[in-house]
Amino acid sequence: EVQLVESGGGSVQPGGSLRLSCAASGFTFSSFWMSWVRQAPGKGLEWVANINQDGSENYYVDSVEGRFTISRENAKNSLYLQMDGLRAEDTAVYYCARKLYITNALDYWGQGTLVAVST
Amino acid sequence: DIVMTQSPATLSWSPGDRATLSCRASHSVSSNLAWYQQKPGQSPRLLMYDASTRPTGIPARFSGSGSGTEYTLTISSLQSEDFAVYYCQQYNNWPYTFGRGTKVEIK
Repeated sequence: EVQLVESGGGSVQPGGSLRLSCAASGFTFSSFWMSWVRQAPGKGLEWVANINQDGSENYYVDSVEGRFTISRENAKNSLYLQMDGLRAEDTAVYYCARKLYITNALDYWGQGTLVAVST
Repeated sequence: DIVMTQSPATLSWSPGDRATLSCRASHSVSSNLAWYQQKPGQSPRLLMYDASTRPTGIPARFSGSGSGTEYTLTISSLQSEDFAVYYCQQYNNWPYTFGRGTKVEIK
C-alpha cells in the first residue's frame, strides 16, 4: 500500500524557516517524480514544487522561488521541503504527493502538515 | 500562468441525480487535465487524468470529457459519498494550476 506521511509543520514567525519531510513507503520511491502542494485554510490548492527521480531537476511556483528548496533522499525514501523567509501568505497545509508515472497528475497524497506563519 | 475557472462555486443536487461540473482554461491545455475530489478534513483524491482516464479504483459513474479549453466531469448518479469539493488542474504548462473548486452539496 502506498503511503506518504508528512512531518515538520508548526508555527513560525515571519522570516523564519521550517523543513518539511515526507516519508514514502509501498512503492519504488526512486522511480517517481514527487511534488509538494499546499492549501491555505479554507482555500484551494496550489502546486508548490516538483522534483524528478534523481533530484537533478526541480521546478517552483514563482511565489516560492528562491525561498523554498525541494530535495529528496532516495536511500531513505524521503522527500523534503526547506522553507526559508517564510511569509504570512505561506500559511497552509502542505501535502506531499506522487506524480503518476505516465503523466503529471498526482495519484497519491499524504495527509498534510500545517505550517502557520504569524507573529 | 494558465488560469483554470470552475463555476459556479457551489452546485446543489439530490442523490441519484446526474451531475455535470465544468472547468475552463485560459489557454488550451491539450487534454492535460486532471480532476480531484476533496472531502472535509481529507487529502485530495485523483478522479481523472488526461481529461478522460479513470485511475484504478475510481467508480465508473465518474467520467471526464473535453478538449482545448473546455472540460467536464460527469457523475452519472450521485451517491451520498460524492458530496464534496471537486478541483480541476492543468499540467500542460508549468506552473501547473488548479481551479478554485466546485462544491457539490445536497439539495
